[in-house]
Amino acid sequence: AQSVTQLGSHVSVSEGALVLLRCNYSSSVPPYLFWYVQYPNQGLQLLLKYTSAATLVKGINGFEAEFKKSETSFHLTKPSAHMSDAAEYFCAVSSSGGYNKLIFGAGTRLAVHP
Amino acid sequence: NAGVTQTPKFRVLKTGQSMTLLCAQDMNHEYMYWYRQDPGMGLRLIHYSVGEGTTAKGEVPDGYNVSRLKKQNFLLGLESAAPSQTSVYFCASGWTGDRYEQYFGPGTRLTVT
Repeated sequence: AQSVTQLGSHVSVSEGALVLLRCNYSSSVPPYLFWYVQYPNQGLQLLLKYTSAATLVKGINGFEAEFKKSETSFHLTKPSAHMSDAAEYFCAVSSSGGYNKLIFGAGTRLAVHP
Repeated sequence: NAGVTQTPKFRVLKTGQSMTLLCAQDMNHEYMYWYRQDPGMGLRLIHYSVGEGTTAKGEVPDGYNVSRLKKQNFLLGLESAAPSQTSVYFCASGWTGDRYEQYFGPGTRLTVT
């Protein structure tokens, strides 16, 4: 069965600091991995996805994530946080049950302070 | 394109009342999903559909029913609402040509008192 663990339900950084949001997954088959962002009172928006091509994936708004099979990780990073990055971030892994189903992590709320 | 839309945006129900949430997508996607989002629990799949006229149970289906009579619409029903169903509900859609990517609606915030 697939599962996703996001370490840290809340992360706080200063504006301009490195953002690192952690995601570890469990999958019995080669996974597809996603990061979605949810701004306050909005739906989820795709940040980036790993679909078995390059292990370093670049997304929107300067975010990137690296797929590390040996560590079963897909951590999200951004070199310099901006106030507008404050949101909730969800990591997700493809379900072996097919039909494009996803298994989501519990989410990490990112706060950015001046 | 409007993408995925949800109606209504907010609703307050009393215990025992019923309601239907409507999801519509204009991307001709085969797959549609209903999730609920609760603090600290991420998104959990309630029901999903892989095509017009088909539905299947997800992770937390109890207390909900769904129908997909038209490809573009996916309805989520609560026959007898309970306070435990207070949540934010998201609809999403996807298609086989876009491996596992899902497109989300803006959500419906439901409170059951």
